[in-house]
Amino acid sequence: DAGVIQSPRHEVTEMGQEVTLRCKPISGHDYLFWYRQTMMRGLELLIYFNNNVPIDDSGMPEDRFSAKMPNASFSTLKIQPSEPRDSAVYFCASSSGDRGSSPLHFGNGTRLTVT
Amino acid sequence: AQSVSQHNHHVILSEAASLELGCNYSYGGTVNLFWYVQYPGQHLQLLLKYFSGDPLVKGIKGFEAEFIKSKFSFNLRKPSVQWSDTAEYFCAVNAVSGAGSYQLTFGKGTKLSVIP
Repeated sequence: DAGVIQSPRHEVTEMGQEVTLRCKPISGHDYLFWYRQTMMRGLELLIYFNNNVPIDDSGMPEDRFSAKMPNASFSTLKIQPSEPRDSAVYFCASSSGDRGSSPLHFGNGTRLTVT
Repeated sequence: AQSVSQHNHHVILSEAASLELGCNYSYGGTVNLFWYVQYPGQHLQLLLKYFSGDPLVKGIKGFEAEFIKSKFSFNLRKPSVQWSDTAEYFCAVNAVSGAGSYQLTFGKGTKLSVIP
């Protein structure tokens, strides 16, 4: 089991540029989550999918953020245009669901720096 | 909406000291409870979980947690910490509701520094 795979590990970009973060969940997991971690705000849930369908995107900061899950093995989180306050570590996690009794398996994260 | 409180932001202990990290949540219904650990520069990993049954749950690396429903608490304990336990610890609560829904809320984390 390769675990949750995220790419890139680090991303440095200039303000105004488009950023795309990628995630491959664990095979067979039907839930996928995007979290953002900062010193100030801790771990924040941005959005989660169940069976490729977005269930709750209330944590997405604003319209500059969008997420897609075109199939069970791939998801993207896009920020367009990026701003310095978007700098954070973005984690993807997956779970087998079972009404919340299964733990989340996290990827190694993408450290985003927007200058 | 549910919330999770971890009252200690940073705990500093000497090796062999006992550890207890507090976690309280606000939700009146059925919950699933988790503790995750994040070692420096790494991702979150599951330490232990509680769904039902014995309220005293044992996890990896000698950690345990006790669910006290009347106090809405799920405190993490370890009798004797090691330098390698230096990490950030997150409590998480999932409110069990309708099928397909998932309301997992994380606390803000407690940073543990163990001094050799």
